[in-house]
Amino acid sequence: NAGVTQTPKFQVLKTGQSMTLQCAQDMNHEYMSWYRQDPGMGLRLIHYSVGAGITDQGEVPNGYNVSRSTTEDFPLRLLSAAPSQTSVYFCASRSIYEQYFGPGTRLTVT
Amino acid sequence: KNQVEQSPQSLIILEGKNCTLQCNYTVSPFSNLRWYKQDTGRGPVSLTIMTFSENTKSNGRYTATLDADTKQSSLHITASQLSDSASYICVVYNNAGNMLTFGGGTRLMVKP
Repeated sequence: NAGVTQTPKFQVLKTGQSMTLQCAQDMNHEYMSWYRQDPGMGLRLIHYSVGAGITDQGEVPNGYNVSRSTTEDFPLRLLSAAPSQTSVYFCASRSIYEQYFGPGTRLTVT
Repeated sequence: KNQVEQSPQSLIILEGKNCTLQCNYTVSPFSNLRWYKQDTGRGPVSLTIMTFSENTKSNGRYTATLDADTKQSSLHITASQLSDSASYICVVYNNAGNMLTFGGGTRLMVKP
């Protein structure tokens, strides 16, 4: 049982490039979400999904897309990277009792 | 607006000493409050979950308290260890359980 896994662990992008951050969980959780964490700020919700085929926007969705074709996977796409998207990104999945976070992806946009 | 405020922002203590971290919230309606520990370079890991009716809950050397009337919570760490060095994040879940409000965290450093 690997829990929540994320790849890559680190990534450097140039402004305007696109990329996909991968997230997978093996706990059969319906609810998954993406957060970004910036220095001195709490985690902020980007997008979330309550099940396969269902996604919705969180607090800071601009510049990001998500899809949920399977229960296990919830990728986050950056369409055209901007320096303001430099951050640490966490994927999480939830049961009714607990939320589990992945190890994070540290993204730098130059 | 739902908010969670944590204090202090950072704290340095000597190994073996106790410390208390504070969390004030304005989230409504309230469902539960959780304390997470986040080691450097890792994702947050849950320490305790407090529901409306619970005043105190312990997890080893960690003891969380909740005063739902004043909307305050604290996390007390007893006999600190070097491995307690981390950020501690207070998270409040709203009544629907769908929205979480995160505090900015307290960064704790335990020195030998």
